[in-house]
Amino acid sequence: GDSVTQMEGPVTLSEEAFLTINCTYTATGYPSLFWYVQYPGEGLQLLLKATKADDKGSNKGFEATYRKETTSFHLEKGSVQVSDSAVYFCALSEDGGNTPLVFGKGTRLSVIA
Amino acid sequence: GAVVSQHPSWVICKSGTSVKIECRSLDFQATTMFWYRQFPKQSLMLMATSNEGSKATYEQGVEKDKFLINHASLTLSTLTVTSAHPEDSSFYICSARDLDRSSYEQYFGPGTRLTVT
Repeated sequence: GDSVTQMEGPVTLSEEAFLTINCTYTATGYPSLFWYVQYPGEGLQLLLKATKADDKGSNKGFEATYRKETTSFHLEKGSVQVSDSAVYFCALSEDGGNTPLVFGKGTRLSVIA
Repeated sequence: GAVVSQHPSWVICKSGTSVKIECRSLDFQATTMFWYRQFPKQSLMLMATSNEGSKATYEQGVEKDKFLINHASLTLSTLTVTSAHPEDSSFYICSARDLDRSSYEQYFGPGTRLTVT
C-alpha cells in the first residue's frame, strides 16, 4: 500500500536558520502530495501541495518540489521564525485529496529566538 | 475560510461507557468526512470514511460495532466509541471535504483527546 516516510524529529533551529524536512513516498499510482502544519492546540492546516511531477508548492515562505524520480517532496524554508514552531506532516492522496490522505508520522519543529 | 469544529475537545470517561464525538463543517457542506486516529508520536491513521446518508466505510482492522459513525447531515458527522476501554484512549481527528470546491482539499478539525480510565 501507499506510505509516507518523513524525518524523525524533533528539529530545533535558531531563528533565521534554513529548514529542510525530508519526505519520501511510495505509491501505486500517481499521487498528489501535501504538507500540512499543526500549530499547538489547532487542527491540521494545508500548507502547500503539488499535483504532478516537478510542480513546486509554496506558501508562507515554505517550498516543496514534487520529485518523481526520487519519490520525494522535501519541505524547505530559507529563514524560519519562532512562529513556525509546529508539527509538520507530509501526506499523499491518490485522487487529489478526494480519497483519504496517507500521512507521515509528523516532524515537530521548534524555533528558538 | 472553511472551518471544521469538533466537540468535545477533550473527554475523560470510565471504562465501559460510551462517548460521542461530533464533527461539524461550519461554513460549508460536506458529503464526505474522514475520521482519523492519532497515537502519540505516530501518524494519523484513517479509521473510516463517513458519507452523508449512507453507511460509513471502515478501514481494515477497525471494529464498526465499536466505533459507530453517523453522518446525518451535510454538516455533521458523529463518532461514538462504545464500551470504551483504556486502549481506546487516543486523539481523534476528523476532516471534511468541501462539496462545492473542485480542489478536493480536506479541512481538519482540531481533534478530540479521549482518555478512558
